[in-house]
Amino acid sequence: EAGVAQSPRYKIIEKRQSVAFWCNPISGHATLYWYQQILGQGPKLLIQFQNNGVVDDSQLPKDRFSAERLKGVDSTLKIQPAKLEDSAVYLCASRSSSTLLAGGLTDTQYFGPGTRLTVL
Amino acid sequence: RKEVEQDPGPFNVPEGATVAFNCTYSNSASQSFFWYRQDCRKEPKLLMSVYSSGNEDGRFTAQLNRASQYISLLIRDSKLSDSATYLCVVINSGGSNYKLTFGKGTLLTVNP
Repeated sequence: EAGVAQSPRYKIIEKRQSVAFWCNPISGHATLYWYQQILGQGPKLLIQFQNNGVVDDSQLPKDRFSAERLKGVDSTLKIQPAKLEDSAVYLCASRSSSTLLAGGLTDTQYFGPGTRLTVL
Repeated sequence: RKEVEQDPGPFNVPEGATVAFNCTYSNSASQSFFWYRQDCRKEPKLLMSVYSSGNEDGRFTAQLNRASQYISLLIRDSKLSDSATYLCVVINSGGSNYKLTFGKGTLLTVNP
């Protein structure tokens, strides 16, 4: 089974520029998440989608960040304009509520490799 | 109080040592708990779930104390390959909202 795909893997931009990240979740996963992970911190949820609807965007800085999942499959996260403090790894994750692993685990998320953003 | 708080670390231990990580959470209604592992410059990956009765997976033991809102992870006979950041994760869900809240993570370095 293919994992969560993200692109680009790395991006360097100057402050006030715009940037967009793309995520393709695991096939069939209805729930998609975007996280921001600043160096030395745990991932912080930015937005959660269920199919093409937003479930939780309470921690998304809506003055500069936007995200969409128009067809309920892949998703884009945009920052416009970027600030220095946006330098972080942006992680996408997807989840299937019916996931059952060999160890009997359920309801687990799978993360993509992330996009490392540096704002100069 | 932060939603999820972990030992700040870092932990540096020799091979073969036993090491324990602690985590507390603020929302008494939280339903599920996990430990994730994150290698340097990699994405987080699920290590194990944490059950109220305690659970073990090889050298790893997870414990949950709901009354104290406390979670722990014990690693016995640590290996060089255990070097990573360990993230405590708390789940709150309702309807279609299934939200993971991560702790800051505790860095473990196992030395030869």
